[in-house]
Parts: sequence; C-alpha cells; structure tokens
Amino acid sequence: DGGITQSPKYLFRKEGQNVTLSCEQNLNHDAMYWYRQDPGQGLRLIYYSQIVNDFQKGDIAEGYSVSREKKESFPLTVTSAQKNPTAFYLCASSMGFRTVAPVGSGNTIYFGEGSWLTVV
Amino acid sequence: GENVEQHPSTLSVQEGDSAVIKCTYSDSASNYFPWYKQELGKGPQLIIDIRSNVGEKKDQRIAVTLNKTAKHFSLHITETQPEDSAVYFCAASTPYNTDKLIFGTGTRLQVFP
Repeated sequence: DGGITQSPKYLFRKEGQNVTLSCEQNLNHDAMYWYRQDPGQGLRLIYYSQIVNDFQKGDIAEGYSVSREKKESFPLTVTSAQKNPTAFYLCASSMGFRTVAPVGSGNTIYFGEGSWLTVV
Repeated sequence: GENVEQHPSTLSVQEGDSAVIKCTYSDSASNYFPWYKQELGKGPQLIIDIRSNVGEKKDQRIAVTLNKTAKHFSLHITETQPEDSAVYFCAASTPYNTDKLIFGTGTRLQVFP
C-alpha cells in the first residue's frame, strides 16, 4: 500500500537522551515535513525538506535535527536540548515545489499516523 | 508571516444539523486552503481543499467557500452524522512556499445522535 509510515507509534525518552523518530514514504514525493502537535493545539512545523540532502528549519526547529539522505526517508531526532519534547509528532509529504500543481497553487500534503513521544 | 485563526474551538450539533467552521488568514497572497479531519490519536486526513481561483467547492456533504477580499474561508458540513465527530483543521499555504502550510488551532466537532 502507498503511504507514509511512522515508527515507533509510542516512544519514551529519558532526561538527557536523544531519540529518533522514523518516517518513510513510498509515494515518490519530493517534499517531506515534520510537525509537532501539542494537546488541544494546532500543528507547528519543525523542519521540512524539498529535495534529498537539503532541508530547512520550520517555526520550532530548536532542539531537533533531521537528515534527508534518501528520497523516501526523513528521520527526526529529538535531542536533549529540546526541553519540552512530550508531544504528538506528525510526518508528512507532498509532491513538492518543483511539481506543477493544478491551477492556483499548492500540492496536497499527506500525513502519517503520528508518533507519541513522552518524557519519563 | 502568515497567521490563520479558526473559530469556534468547539462545536456541538445534533445529528442531521449543519456545522460551519470559519477561518481567517492574514496574507492576501496565500492561495491554497485545505481542510483536514483528525480523529483521536491519528494523523490528519485531507477532506477538501480550495484554490484561490475558485470561490466554492463541494464534495457530497462537505463544502468550502473562499472570500479572498475578506480573507476568510469556511467549511460547511450538512446532514451531520456521529462519525463526523473529530477535530477539524484549516490551513493556508504561505505564498512563497506553496507546500508549507500554516494551520489553524482546530475545531472539535461533536455530533450527538
């Protein structure tokens, strides 16, 4: 099946520990994204990548790092520098900026099922 | 940068009634406006979107309207059903990064049988 796979679904982090969330897509999408969602709130962009080996900071990048070595993979590392990491993390993908969208603009962004991270 | 406001934060309706959720955006150059439905513990799913070259779009029981002059867009759900209960998010694309979305804070819709 085509889609976006996030793992693990639930992850616990100890104080001072780095953890990595996995995101894989088989949609052949160029662009990938990481969003953070806190309870009862909207989605905030952490990092995004338009193409392999390139990525940009979003609105709340501090304490996070990413890599984009392969088109289908965009892992997110939550470092010990992120002081309040407990949240629901969502990976997403889209065809990307280089793809001509229908009249108007904007390509559909598809989301994975999310990963819950809790600090213990 | 772009800012998206969404109202109401919670909405309760009786099954069969209509539900309307409204969003406003700040950047007049924004040109793509999707709506997502998120069920508890799951990722958001796109339910409908609209681009700036049209004023209304409909898909069965859901419709979206866009008023570019007033910079607001709305989601309309008719004949609501209990399975419509979820959190709904609106979003707007930043003008110079067409796939970078700014989200509203969400509306929790409850449909009572």
